[in-house]
Amino acid sequence: QMQLQESGPGLVKPSQTLSLTCTVSGGSISSGDYYWTWIRQHPGKGLEWIGYIYYTGSTYYNPSLKSRLTLSVDTSKNQFSLRLSSVTAADTAVYYCARDATRSSNWFDPWGQGTLVTVSS
Amino acid sequence: EIVMTQSPVTLSVSPGERATLSCRASQSVSNNLAWYQQKPGQAPRVLIYDASARATGIPARFSGSGSGTQFTLTISSLQSEDFAVYYCQQYYNWPPLTFGGGTKVEIK
Repeated sequence: QMQLQESGPGLVKPSQTLSLTCTVSGGSISSGDYYWTWIRQHPGKGLEWIGYIYYTGSTYYNPSLKSRLTLSVDTSKNQFSLRLSSVTAADTAVYYCARDATRSSNWFDPWGQGTLVTVSS
Repeated sequence: EIVMTQSPVTLSVSPGERATLSCRASQSVSNNLAWYQQKPGQAPRVLIYDASARATGIPARFSGSGSGTQFTLTISSLQSEDFAVYYCQQYYNWPPLTFGGGTKVEIK
C-alpha cells in the first residue's frame, strides 16, 4: 500500500523560501502512471491545489503561485519536493502531498498526513 | 478557472437521517468530479470519483450523482463517524484543479 510523508521546517520567516519534501513508500515514483501533487489548506479554510510534477520533471502549476513555485523530483530517493519563494503570512497552511488516481483522472488518493508550515518572524 | 460552490456551508443532521450536500460548478465539468471527507486533524480521503463511483472501501451509504454543473453527495443514514467536512473537486479543466469551499456536517 502506497504511503506518502511530508517533511520540512515548520517555521519559515517572511520573504524566505519554504521547502518541503514528500517521500513515497510502497511504490515507485518512476512508474509513470501518476502525477504527484501538492495541496495546501489555510487554517480553518478549504483546499488549494498547488501543482503537479511527473517523474520526468514535467510540471503543472497553479497560475496563482506560478511565479514563486518550483516543484522537483528525485527518483533515486523516491521523493518530490516543493519550493515556494518570498513567503508571507498568507502562505501559512497545512501542506499535503498526494498522488493522483491516474494521469487521466485527476482526483487524489492517497494523501500524506500533512505538515503545518507557519510563516512568522 | 472553474469555481466550485458548495451548499449549505453547514448542515445539521441527526444520526440515522439522510444528508444531501450540493456542489455547483461555474461551467460544465462533465462527470469529472470527486468528493472528499475530512475529519479534524486528518487529511481528506476520497469518497466518490467520476461523480458517482465509490472509491475502494467506501460504504454504500455514500452516493454521488449529477453531471455538468450540478452535483449531489448523499449520505443515506448518517453514522457518528460521518460527521466531518466534505469537499468537492473538479478535474475537467485544469490548471488549476479546484475545490469547493466545503460543507460541514454536524450533529443536530
